[in-house]
Amino acid sequence: EAEVAQSPRYKITEKSQAVAFWCDPISGHATLYWYRQILGQGPELLVQFQDESVVDDSQLPKDRFSAERLKGVDSTLKIQPAELGDSAMYLCASSLGDLAKNIQYFGAGTRLSVL
Amino acid sequence: QQPVQSPQAVILREGEDAVINCSSSKALYSVHWYRQKHGEAPVFLMILLKGGEQKGHEKISASFNEKKQQSSLYLTASKLSYSGTYFCGLNRGSQGNLIFGKGTKLSVKP
Repeated sequence: EAEVAQSPRYKITEKSQAVAFWCDPISGHATLYWYRQILGQGPELLVQFQDESVVDDSQLPKDRFSAERLKGVDSTLKIQPAELGDSAMYLCASSLGDLAKNIQYFGAGTRLSVL
Repeated sequence: QQPVQSPQAVILREGEDAVINCSSSKALYSVHWYRQKHGEAPVFLMILLKGGEQKGHEKISASFNEKKQQSSLYLTASKLSYSGTYFCGLNRGSQGNLIFGKGTKLSVKP
């Protein structure tokens, strides 16, 4: 069964350092999402791509976060500089992009700890 | 606006039933239900589209009341494997993305 791949699974960094997360969606999925999930909370959307274009980044802290999906396939989320409050699980999801149904499939996530 | 889930947590014995509710103050295109086990990715359970339909997955079913803007997830004859946190995600249709509730933690004991 096809899966969304994410790496690394865990990342420990010191504040003010730069970190990057990678996501490879299910083949053929045009829409890709990055979510942040704080312990005990539901996933919160950071950015949504349709192919290589950003569709929604209204919740992305653009002073320190950036995301790209250059060829419309895999994607990278970067944080620079990392802050203590960025400690969370970062989830990537993909979907076919059908607005009516839009079933999203999640990767296993990257757990970030900022010290 | 984030949907409101209730209860926040529930503890069951194997074989017991539970209901998890998800309410929204705004109109919806669809409601999505996910289950997440500790340290794992959320797993899609089912989607409820406008029209009040009911869906099922194993002995888990759900309904969507469009008038009340509320969805309910029904777990019958619960199994140990049902343990996890259940999230509802609301699709308001503008871009097709989902707004998730804070989750309901379900623990099924032997």
